[in-house]
Amino acid sequence: AQSVSQHNHHVILSEAASLELGCNYSYGGTVNLFWYVQYPGQHLQLLLKYFSGDPLVKGIKGFEAEFIKSKFSFNLRKPSVQWSDTAEYFCAVNSYNQGGKLIFGQGTELSVKP
Amino acid sequence: NAGVTQTPKFRILKIGQSMTLQCTQDMNHNYMYWYRQDPGMGLKLIYYSVGAGITDKGEVPNGYNVSRSTTEDFPLRLELAAPSQTSVYFCASTDRVGHETQYFGPGTRLLVL
Repeated sequence: AQSVSQHNHHVILSEAASLELGCNYSYGGTVNLFWYVQYPGQHLQLLLKYFSGDPLVKGIKGFEAEFIKSKFSFNLRKPSVQWSDTAEYFCAVNSYNQGGKLIFGQGTELSVKP
Repeated sequence: NAGVTQTPKFRILKIGQSMTLQCTQDMNHNYMYWYRQDPGMGLKLIYYSVGAGITDKGEVPNGYNVSRSTTEDFPLRLELAAPSQTSVYFCASTDRVGHETQYFGPGTRLLVL
């Protein structure tokens, strides 16, 4: 069965620090990979996604993620975080033969200190 | 477009009560999903639908029921509420399967006492 693992449950950073959130998945076939973000009091929204092509994908608000197939990883990065990036971040995966069902990781709560 | 809307925003239930969580989308999406979110557990799929009249179980369907009589609406029914169903419930929809973005509603926070 597919699964997604996010290694960091809670990350605390100061503004301007660099961010990298880990995400690993287990599935042998072709997958689509997503990062969703949930700002405090808001619903989930898409940050970025990968489905083919360049393994380095860029999303909104300066975020990027790199798909490394050999490592089954899709880590999220941002060179310099802002206080407004405080949120919970979810990695998710689906595959074409799974009816579009997303499998989510446990989530990583990011707190950015001003 | 309002996107995906959910009602109510918050509800307290007593054990054994029943309720329906409403979900409506105005994007004419065929695919709709119900997730529950528990702290430290991410989101788990409860039920999903690939079109009007077609529903299927997700990862954690026990204690829930769904129906899909129209493209727009996908209500989630709790028949006998239990404390284990205390959670935040999210409805989502998408146009096609694959790499299409799922659009989420604002969520319903449910507390069962």
